[in-house]
Amino acid sequence: QEHLVESGGGVVQPGGSLRLSCAASGFTFSSHGMTWVRQAPGKGLEWVAFIRFDGANQYYGDSVEGRFTISRDNSKNTLYLQMNSLRPEDTAVYYCAKGDIWSGYPSWFDPWGQGTLVTVPS
Amino acid sequence: QSALTQPPSASGSPGQSVTISCTGTSGDVGAYNHVSWYQQHPGKVPKLIIYEVTKRPSGISDRFSGSKSGNTASLTVSGLQAEDEADYYCTSYAGSNNLFFGGGTKLTVL
Repeated sequence: QEHLVESGGGVVQPGGSLRLSCAASGFTFSSHGMTWVRQAPGKGLEWVAFIRFDGANQYYGDSVEGRFTISRDNSKNTLYLQMNSLRPEDTAVYYCAKGDIWSGYPSWFDPWGQGTLVTVPS
Repeated sequence: QSALTQPPSASGSPGQSVTISCTGTSGDVGAYNHVSWYQQHPGKVPKLIIYEVTKRPSGISDRFSGSKSGNTASLTVSGLQAEDEADYYCTSYAGSNNLFFGGGTKLTVL
C-alpha cells in the first residue's frame, strides 16, 4: 500500500527556516515525480513545488520561488522541502503527494500524506 | 485570487446530479488535458477522483465523471449521496511547469 508520512512541521518565527520531510513507502519512489501542496487554515489548496522523478528539475509556485527548495533522496525514499525566510502567510498544513510515473512536470497527485502543520506567527 | 475559477458552493438532493465548473484560460484548461479533481472531506486529506480530464483512479465510484469544453472543465456527481458532501478542487497544468488550483467548491447534499 502506498504511504506518505510528513514530518518537521512546527512553530517558527518570521524570517526563520524549517525543513520538512516526507517518507515514502509502498511504491518505487525513484520512478515518480513528487510535489508539495499547502493549505492555510480554512482556505483552499495551493501548489508549492514539484520535483522530477530523478531530481533533475524543480519547479515552484510564485509565492515561494526563491525562498523554498524541494529536493529528494531516492536512496532513502524521502522528499524534502527546505523553507527559508518564512512569513506569516506561509502558515499552513503542508502535504506531500505522489505524481505520475516518470512525470517531468506537475499534473495529478495520488496519494497524499496526512500533512504537517507549519505556523509562522505574526 | 485563484487562477482557476470555481463556484464557492453547489448543492443537490440525494439521487440528483450536480455539476461543478472550473474555468481557466486558453493557457491552462484550454491548452492541456491535464485537469484533475480532488475531494476533501472536513479535516481529511484530499483524494484524487478525476485525472486527465475524464479518467477515474481505481476505486473511485463511476458516479464521478469529468469533462472539458474550451476553457472550462466540469465535474459531475451523479446519484448524489450524503457521503459526497465535501469540498472539491480542480487543478490544471498551466505550461511553463506551473500548476493552478481552483478556489474550491463546497458541495452540500440537501
